[in-house]
Amino acid sequence: GQQVMQIPQYQHVQEGEDFTTYCNSSTTLSNIQWYKQRPGGHPVFLIQLVKSGEVKKQKRLTFQFGEAKKNSSLHITATQTTDVGTYFCAGGIQGGTYKYIFGTGTRLKVLA
Amino acid sequence: DGGITQSPKYLFRKEGQNVTLSCEQNLNHDAMYWYRQDPGQGLRLIYYSQIVNDFQKGDIAEGYSVSREKKESFPLTVTSAQKNPTAFYLCASSIVSGTGLGNTEAFFGQGTRLTVV
Repeated sequence: GQQVMQIPQYQHVQEGEDFTTYCNSSTTLSNIQWYKQRPGGHPVFLIQLVKSGEVKKQKRLTFQFGEAKKNSSLHITATQTTDVGTYFCAGGIQGGTYKYIFGTGTRLKVLA
Repeated sequence: DGGITQSPKYLFRKEGQNVTLSCEQNLNHDAMYWYRQDPGQGLRLIYYSQIVNDFQKGDIAEGYSVSREKKESFPLTVTSAQKNPTAFYLCASSIVSGTGLGNTEAFFGQGTRLTVV
């Protein structure tokens, strides 16, 4: 079946270091979304990418969608303690009645 | 305030009992979803519904049941047939775009943490 894998599963960084999480799908996606889940909280939508090769920025966060629409990345520049949480990608499948396929998530810990 | 509300926040169940988790939304969304999250794992889809009185099984529907009698409500029943029900359960909703599901932002509730004792 369709799967979306994320790496790494965990990442510990010193505050101020950069962080990147990668998302890979076994199938072509119509779009990719990114969510952040704070410890003990629920996932909150960050962004959606739709076009092949698309790059979007939100302050220190940079999101990319691969040319083949099978992979994506989230890069955080100069991490802060407020960036702590688990970052999930979610792929949408074109057409039909399918739903979001969530990645396995990357848990980020930022050490002050 | 518009949003999606899950209750209760914590739930304890004895083995062999059925329990029902509540999910209500006032966002006027057509689509609703139930996910299960286990420690260190991603979100696994249990059931989803695009419209009232209709729902489909997700990837791990065994041992669960749902109903969608009202647009605003999508309760999940964890039955005694679910062998390992201890988990964090998340309900979500979204609009349905012209190209189907998965193309618009999903809004999540605060979650229900279910523990079997």
